[in-house]
Amino acid sequence: KNQVEQSPQSLIILEGKNCTLQCNYTVSPFSNLRWYKQDTGRGPVSLTIMTFSENTKSNGRYTATLDADTKQSSLHITASQLSDSASYICVVTGGSGNTPLVFGKGTRLSVIA
Amino acid sequence: GAVVSQHPSWVICKSGTSVKIECRSLDFQATTMFWYRQFPKQSLMLMATSNEGSKATYEQGVEKDKFLINHASLTLSTLTVTSAHPEDSSFYICSARDQASGSLYEQYFGPGTRLTVT
Repeated sequence: KNQVEQSPQSLIILEGKNCTLQCNYTVSPFSNLRWYKQDTGRGPVSLTIMTFSENTKSNGRYTATLDADTKQSSLHITASQLSDSASYICVVTGGSGNTPLVFGKGTRLSVIA
Repeated sequence: GAVVSQHPSWVICKSGTSVKIECRSLDFQATTMFWYRQFPKQSLMLMATSNEGSKATYEQGVEKDKFLINHASLTLSTLTVTSAHPEDSSFYICSARDQASGSLYEQYFGPGTRLTVT
């Protein structure tokens, strides 16, 4: 069964600190993996998208890694800001890519002053 | 970047009435759009896949006669919740697949519509 598991479920960190969110998936065959940021009451916004051949991709203070062999991905947030408080969702596309996305349940990040 | 809009952003309706939600891709063409529902503190759940000019494909457990989907153009899909009940209250999000994104099949999400049925 295609699944995406994220950890931790929730995380609280101090402003300015770094954090890393984890994503494990069992989707096969694999097409690409995306990280989204979803603010409360808003739609998800794409942070990164990685295909099978990509190991690392950065978007400002966000750096995503992908290990296609172990089927793991991480999202590292550097120098966190209060505005980083949101849910971070890992989403995997399987098959040819033209298939429904498989969503993780997300990690709820709270950045406090 | 690509933008997807939804209208309305929130709506309150009485039980038994119907509500229409619009999803538009503003600066790209989308032959495929998706409708999701999200309950508090849960992930997005795919309801249906909408293809321009053809019937929508509904996920198991989603009533096609209750959630009417129309995708009449390459930039517009609508979801109509018919005979709404309080249990239909949820956050509805659409996404649009950019047909020009090639093998990445890039999807862009709308900002969501909060539906409250009283």
